[in-house]
Amino acid sequence: AQSVTQPDIHITVSEGASLELRCNYSYGATPYLFWYVQSPGQGLQLLLKYFSGDTLVQGIKGFEAEFKRSQSSFNLRKPSVHWSDAAEYFCAVGARDMRFGAGTRLTVKP
Amino acid sequence: DTAVSQTPKYLVTQMGNDKSIKCEQNLGHDTMYWYKQDSKKFLKIMFSYNNKELIINETVPNRFSPKSPDKAHLNLHINSLELGDSAVYFCASSQDTRTQYFGPGTRLLVL
Repeated sequence: AQSVTQPDIHITVSEGASLELRCNYSYGATPYLFWYVQSPGQGLQLLLKYFSGDTLVQGIKGFEAEFKRSQSSFNLRKPSVHWSDAAEYFCAVGARDMRFGAGTRLTVKP
Repeated sequence: DTAVSQTPKYLVTQMGNDKSIKCEQNLGHDTMYWYKQDSKKFLKIMFSYNNKELIINETVPNRFSPKSPDKAHLNLHINSLELGDSAVYFCASSQDTRTQYFGPGTRLLVL
Protein backbone atom coordinates (compact mmCIF):
# COMPACT_ATOMS: atom_id res chain seq x y z
CA ALA A 1 0.00 0.00 0.00
CA GLN A 2 1.24 3.47 -0.72
CA SER A 3 2.27 5.71 2.14
CA VAL A 4 4.16 8.89 2.83
CA THR A 5 6.42 9.77 5.73
CA GLN A 6 7.41 13.27 6.68
CA PRO A 7 9.96 12.72 9.44
CA ASP A 8 9.96 16.29 10.73
CA ILE A 9 6.84 17.42 12.54
CA HIS A 10 8.11 20.95 13.12
CA ILE A 11 11.03 22.89 11.68
CA THR A 12 12.19 26.38 12.60
CA VAL A 13 14.47 28.37 10.31
CA SER A 14 15.63 31.95 10.27
CA GLU A 15 14.42 34.25 7.56
CA GLY A 16 16.85 34.17 4.67
CA ALA A 17 18.18 30.74 5.57
CA SER A 18 17.82 27.74 3.30
CA LEU A 19 15.15 25.11 3.84
CA GLU A 20 14.81 21.42 3.17
CA LEU A 21 11.68 19.46 4.10
CA ARG A 22 11.97 15.71 3.91
CA CYS A 23 9.52 13.31 2.35
CA ASN A 24 9.83 9.54 1.91
CA TYR A 25 7.26 7.46 0.12
CA SER A 26 6.29 3.88 -0.43
CA TYR A 27 4.65 3.11 -3.75
CA GLY A 28 4.48 0.08 -6.01
CA ALA A 29 5.07 1.82 -9.32
CA THR A 30 6.43 5.11 -10.55
CA PRO A 31 4.76 7.52 -8.20
CA TYR A 32 2.98 10.75 -8.80
CA LEU A 33 4.40 13.05 -6.12
CA PHE A 34 3.18 16.37 -4.84
CA TRP A 35 3.93 19.08 -2.32
CA TYR A 36 1.10 21.21 -0.99
CA VAL A 37 1.21 24.15 1.41
CA GLN A 38 -1.50 25.10 3.87
CA SER A 39 -1.41 28.51 5.54
CA PRO A 40 -3.29 28.85 8.84
CA GLY A 41 -7.03 28.63 8.32
CA GLN A 42 -6.61 28.17 4.58
CA GLY A 43 -6.98 25.42 2.04
CA LEU A 44 -4.21 23.50 0.31
CA GLN A 45 -2.23 25.12 -2.45
CA LEU A 46 -0.18 23.06 -4.87
CA LEU A 47 3.51 23.99 -4.78
CA LEU A 48 4.84 21.49 -7.30
CA LYS A 49 4.40 18.00 -8.70
CA TYR A 50 6.39 15.19 -10.26
CA PHE A 51 4.99 12.72 -12.75
CA SER A 52 7.98 11.76 -14.89
CA GLY A 53 11.02 13.18 -16.64
CA ASP A 54 13.47 15.59 -15.06
CA THR A 55 13.86 14.62 -11.43
CA LEU A 56 14.36 18.21 -10.28
CA VAL A 57 11.07 20.07 -10.46
CA GLN A 58 10.47 23.74 -9.98
CA GLY A 59 7.37 25.06 -8.28
CA ILE A 60 5.78 28.28 -7.26
CA LYS A 61 7.15 30.72 -4.68
CA GLY A 62 10.75 29.71 -5.37
CA PHE A 63 10.37 26.10 -4.20
CA GLU A 64 11.91 23.08 -5.86
CA ALA A 65 11.92 19.37 -5.14
CA GLU A 66 14.08 16.48 -6.24
CA PHE A 67 12.82 12.97 -6.89
CA LYS A 68 15.33 10.30 -5.89
CA ARG A 69 14.05 6.86 -6.77
CA SER A 70 16.94 5.07 -5.04
CA GLN A 71 16.09 6.76 -1.76
CA SER A 72 12.30 6.84 -2.26
CA SER A 73 12.46 10.51 -1.45
CA PHE A 74 10.98 13.74 -2.74
CA ASN A 75 12.47 16.50 -0.60
CA LEU A 76 11.34 20.08 -0.88
CA ARG A 77 13.88 22.89 -0.90
CA LYS A 78 14.05 26.64 -0.94
CA PRO A 79 17.33 28.59 -0.99
CA SER A 80 16.10 31.56 1.05
CA VAL A 81 13.03 31.43 3.25
CA HIS A 82 10.69 34.39 3.65
CA TRP A 83 8.50 35.06 6.70
CA SER A 84 5.43 34.43 4.53
CA ASP A 85 6.57 30.83 4.00
CA ALA A 86 5.50 29.95 7.54
CA ALA A 87 2.82 27.30 7.04
CA GLU A 88 2.12 23.57 7.09
CA TYR A 89 3.66 21.60 4.25
CA PHE A 90 2.28 18.30 3.01
CA CYS A 91 3.90 15.74 0.79
CA ALA A 92 1.52 13.43 -1.08
CA VAL A 93 1.79 10.39 -3.33
CA GLY A 94 -0.62 8.73 -5.68
CA ALA A 95 -3.31 9.64 -8.12
CA ARG A 96 -6.98 9.28 -7.39
CA ASP A 97 -6.18 7.47 -4.15
CA MET A 98 -3.74 10.11 -3.00
CA ARG A 99 -2.10 9.64 0.40
CA PHE A 100 -0.75 12.51 2.42
CA GLY A 101 2.07 12.68 4.89
CA ALA A 102 1.37 13.98 8.38
CA GLY A 103 2.72 17.41 7.47
CA THR A 104 5.67 19.54 8.57
CA ARG A 105 4.99 22.82 10.29
CA LEU A 106 7.45 25.51 9.29
CA THR A 107 8.16 28.41 11.63
CA VAL A 108 10.25 31.31 10.34
CA LYS A 109 12.26 33.36 12.85
CA PRO A 110 12.85 37.03 12.05
CA ASP B 1 -13.06 33.06 -10.32
CA THR B 2 -12.81 30.44 -7.61
CA ALA B 3 -11.83 27.07 -9.07
CA VAL B 4 -13.12 24.82 -6.27
CA SER B 5 -15.61 26.35 -3.87
CA GLN B 6 -17.26 25.00 -0.75
CA THR B 7 -20.19 26.15 1.31
CA PRO B 8 -20.47 26.83 4.11
CA LYS B 9 -17.02 27.86 5.27
CA TYR B 10 -17.94 27.31 8.92
CA LEU B 11 -20.58 25.01 10.35
CA VAL B 12 -21.41 24.77 14.04
CA THR B 13 -24.11 22.32 15.00
CA GLN B 14 -25.39 20.06 17.74
CA MET B 15 -24.82 16.34 18.09
CA GLY B 16 -27.47 14.30 16.35
CA ASN B 17 -28.21 16.87 13.67
CA ASP B 18 -27.99 16.24 9.93
CA LYS B 19 -25.98 18.64 7.81
CA SER B 20 -24.72 19.02 4.24
CA ILE B 21 -21.62 20.58 2.75
CA LYS B 22 -21.64 21.63 -0.87
CA CYS B 23 -18.77 21.63 -3.33
CA GLU B 24 -18.58 23.03 -6.84
CA GLN B 25 -15.73 23.15 -9.32
CA ASN B 26 -15.57 25.22 -12.49
CA LEU B 27 -12.43 23.60 -13.89
CA GLY B 28 -14.22 21.11 -16.09
CA HIS B 29 -12.64 18.22 -14.18
CA ASP B 30 -14.16 14.77 -14.24
CA THR B 31 -13.18 13.59 -10.76
CA MET B 32 -14.06 15.05 -7.37
CA TYR B 33 -13.04 14.11 -3.86
CA TRP B 34 -13.82 14.63 -0.21
CA TYR B 35 -11.07 14.66 2.42
CA LYS B 36 -11.20 14.96 6.18
CA GLN B 37 -8.49 16.81 8.10
CA ASP B 38 -8.46 16.06 11.78
CA SER B 39 -7.25 18.22 14.65
CA LYS B 40 -3.69 16.95 14.14
CA LYS B 41 -3.81 18.17 10.54
CA PHE B 42 -3.84 14.63 9.17
CA LEU B 43 -5.56 14.47 5.76
CA LYS B 44 -7.43 11.37 4.72
CA ILE B 45 -9.44 10.70 1.61
CA MET B 46 -13.08 9.80 2.19
CA PHE B 47 -14.67 9.52 -1.23
CA SER B 48 -13.91 9.99 -4.88
CA TYR B 49 -16.38 10.40 -7.73
CA ASN B 50 -15.59 10.13 -11.41
CA ASN B 51 -18.25 11.36 -13.82
CA LYS B 52 -20.88 11.11 -11.09
CA GLU B 53 -19.84 7.55 -10.24
CA LEU B 54 -18.38 6.55 -6.87
CA ILE B 55 -14.88 5.10 -7.38
CA ILE B 56 -13.29 5.39 -3.97
CA ASN B 57 -15.08 4.84 -0.70
CA GLU B 58 -12.68 4.58 2.18
CA THR B 59 -13.70 3.21 5.54
CA VAL B 60 -16.13 5.93 6.43
CA PRO B 61 -19.25 5.54 8.61
CA ASN B 62 -22.35 5.16 6.50
CA ARG B 63 -23.67 8.30 8.19
CA PHE B 64 -21.59 10.05 5.52
CA SER B 65 -23.15 10.01 2.08
CA PRO B 66 -21.72 11.79 -0.93
CA LYS B 67 -24.03 12.90 -3.70
CA SER B 68 -22.98 14.04 -7.13
CA PRO B 69 -25.81 15.62 -9.11
CA ASP B 70 -23.46 16.40 -12.00
CA LYS B 71 -19.75 16.44 -12.82
CA ALA B 72 -19.25 19.89 -11.34
CA HIS B 73 -20.80 19.21 -7.95
CA LEU B 74 -20.10 16.81 -5.11
CA ASN B 75 -22.01 17.31 -1.90
CA LEU B 76 -21.42 15.62 1.42
CA HIS B 77 -24.35 14.81 3.65
CA ILE B 78 -23.75 13.76 7.23
CA ASN B 79 -26.46 12.17 9.36
CA SER B 80 -26.60 12.01 13.14
CA LEU B 81 -23.53 14.11 13.70
CA GLU B 82 -21.12 13.03 16.43
CA LEU B 83 -18.44 14.91 18.35
CA GLY B 84 -15.75 13.01 16.46
CA ASP B 85 -17.00 14.41 13.16
CA SER B 86 -15.56 17.79 14.11
CA ALA B 87 -12.86 18.45 11.52
CA VAL B 88 -12.08 20.40 8.41
CA TYR B 89 -13.56 18.86 5.28
CA PHE B 90 -11.90 19.57 1.96
CA CYS B 91 -13.30 19.07 -1.47
CA ALA B 92 -10.92 18.61 -4.40
CA SER B 93 -11.12 17.96 -8.12
CA SER B 94 -8.85 16.62 -10.83
CA GLN B 95 -8.89 15.72 -14.49
CA ASP B 96 -8.33 11.98 -14.87
CA THR B 97 -5.83 10.88 -12.23
CA ARG B 98 -3.66 13.92 -12.26
CA THR B 99 -3.23 16.92 -10.02
CA GLN B 100 -5.89 17.57 -7.42
CA TYR B 101 -7.00 21.11 -6.70
CA PHE B 102 -8.48 21.81 -3.32
CA GLY B 103 -11.26 23.99 -2.06
CA PRO B 104 -10.86 26.31 0.94
CA GLY B 105 -12.31 23.82 3.39
CA THR B 106 -15.38 23.67 5.63
CA ARG B 107 -14.71 23.83 9.35
CA LEU B 108 -17.27 21.67 11.11
CA LEU B 109 -17.69 21.87 14.87
CA VAL B 110 -20.11 19.51 16.56
CA LEU B 111 -21.17 20.51 20.06
